[in-house]
Amino acid sequence: DGGITQSPKYLFRKEGQNVTLSCEQNLNHDAMYWYRQDPGQGLRLIYYSQIVNDFQKGDIAEGYSVSREKKESFPLTVTSAQKNPTAFYLCASRGRNYGYTFGSGTRLTVV
Amino acid sequence: AQKVTQAQTEISVVEKEDVTLDCVYETRDTTYYLFWYKQPPSGELVFLIRRNSFDEQNEISGRYSWNFQKSTSSFNFTITASQVVDSAVYFCALSEAIKAAGNKLTFGGGTRVLVKP
Repeated sequence: DGGITQSPKYLFRKEGQNVTLSCEQNLNHDAMYWYRQDPGQGLRLIYYSQIVNDFQKGDIAEGYSVSREKKESFPLTVTSAQKNPTAFYLCASRGRNYGYTFGSGTRLTVV
Repeated sequence: AQKVTQAQTEISVVEKEDVTLDCVYETRDTTYYLFWYKQPPSGELVFLIRRNSFDEQNEISGRYSWNFQKSTSSFNFTITASQVVDSAVYFCALSEAIKAAGNKLTFGGGTRVLVKP
């Protein structure tokens, strides 16, 4: 079945470390998105990509980086510059007719 | 810029009561899409409905119904005869049909619904 796979489901990071969250889709969607969710809050857009080798900053891009070398993959790196990275991260892709598909998320905790 | 407001942060009801979740949006675009998602404790987002700006017909799906009113920029969601399994956080979201802007989904802050037995 087509869908989005995010890994790992849980991730622990030491302060000062960079970590990379994986997002893979087999839906043949051009557009992909990364969202951050803090407890009790809505989702905020970090980065998005509408086509391979192109991506744009969202509302809270500081301290994050992405790449889009393949259509299927849109990894998110949380850098040491992100001062408060503990959150739930969701990856999404968009198909025709504005059908968005979400992954199951990665919970990142700084220890 | 687009914006979605869900004024109710938490609603608590007793099973079998009806519950209505409010959603108000702002957009400059004439073509846009509105969504509702359910987020159970496990965290994944469950798609409930998508509605485009040209279709103001209300919709009913089982115990769920949606009321879209462009005149008041609202897209409210009602759960009839609530059940414990309806307990979750519900998000309203908006996407403008402007490809240059990325067709981004903008979410409201969410409404937590607690259905007590």
